[in-house]
Formats: sequence, C-alpha cells, structure tokens
Amino acid sequence: NAGVTQTPKFQVLKTGQSMTLQCAQDMNHEYMSWYRQDPGMGLRLIHYSVGAGITDQGEVPNGYNVSRSTTEDFPLRLLSAAPSQTSVYFCASSDLQGGGYGYTFGSGTRLTVV
Amino acid sequence: GEDVEQSLFLSVREGDSSVINCTYTDSSSTYLYWYKQEPGAGLQLLTYIFSNMDMKQDQRLTVLLNKKDKHLSLRIADTQTGDSAIYFCAEYRFYNQGGKLIFGQGTELSVKP
Repeated sequence: NAGVTQTPKFQVLKTGQSMTLQCAQDMNHEYMSWYRQDPGMGLRLIHYSVGAGITDQGEVPNGYNVSRSTTEDFPLRLLSAAPSQTSVYFCASSDLQGGGYGYTFGSGTRLTVV
Repeated sequence: GEDVEQSLFLSVREGDSSVINCTYTDSSSTYLYWYKQEPGAGLQLLTYIFSNMDMKQDQRLTVLLNKKDKHLSLRIADTQTGDSAIYFCAEYRFYNQGGKLIFGQGTELSVKP
C-alpha cells in the first residue's frame, strides 16, 4: 500500500548509543518531516525537508540530524541517545507543503533510551 | 504543542454527539485540521477547514470555525465505540522554508456502550 513506512517500530537504546530511524514514502511527496510525540504535549517538529538536498530545523532539533539524498527517504539520526529522547517518533510527508491536504503519517517508532 | 489548546479527556455514551474543542493563537493560519490517532497507530487525517470557511460537514463530522475567538470544534454525530481514540487539532503555519503543523495536546475520546 502506498504511504509512509517507518522502521523499526520499536527500539531500546542505551544512553550514548547512536541509531538511525528510517522513513520512506512512495507518493513522490516533496515535503517530509519528523515529529516526536510525548504525553500531554501533542507532536513537536524536529526537522523537515522541502525537497532532496534541502533540510531545516524544527522546534526541537537538538540531538538529531537529518539528510535528504532522495525524494523517497528521510532518515533521522540520533547521535548520542539520551533518556530525554525516549518518545514516539512520527515521520510525515505531504505535497504542497501540507496546506489543504494535510500530512500522511507513518505508524511511528517507539524509542526507549535507558 | 505550542499555542494550540485542547481539553485532555471527553467521555460520551454511544449514540450521543461528541464535541471536541480547540483554541489556537495564530490568526494567520490558513488551514486547520483534525487528526485521529488510534492506539499504537499513526495519525489519520479526518478533515480540514480553510480559514475563510465557518463550517464544513463531512458525513458524521461537522467542523465549526470561529476566527474571531480563534476557536475550532469537531462534532461527531451518533458517536460509536469505534470512534474511541485521541483527536488532535492542528494549525498550519508557514515556517522558514516550508510549513509546519502545530498540534494541540490531543483529546482522548472514550465512548461507552
């Protein structure tokens, strides 16, 4: 089915470890973004991209890196995991930068840092 | 989420109407959205409304927008147990090179049989 695919679905990391959360979409969307969801706080934007080779920071970018080498993929890297990064991470994509069409969300990656 | 507020919980009986409320602060928002999140799943777009509209109806869903008060509501008619989920309102804002959705905290709707 067309949509946004995130892997892995669950991950446990030790403090200080690094890892990459994968996100891929097959809808030829130009716009992709990463959000984190924490209880009682809704979703907060980490990084986003308006096309291949173009990325920018969102509200909470510290501790995360992104790159966009293709239209389809937008991986999120945790450089040195901290317990504060325990969260559910959602990747989302859209055409027309989301206006009027909303975003298509992946099913999420639940990350626990111990 | 910053500046978008929702109540956290709502409980209704099956067959009743549910009304979920949301307030936002950015008067320049062009689109406002309602998303539904079921347990363990991502967010599903339910409906959206453009800022020059007052109301939008889509089957059992009615969205009301009061721009003067910056108030958005989602009414679900004939609420069913399958409607139990977390509902997020979100406003679209232009941001740096692109745009972003600003989400409320989410309202957990519980539908009792």
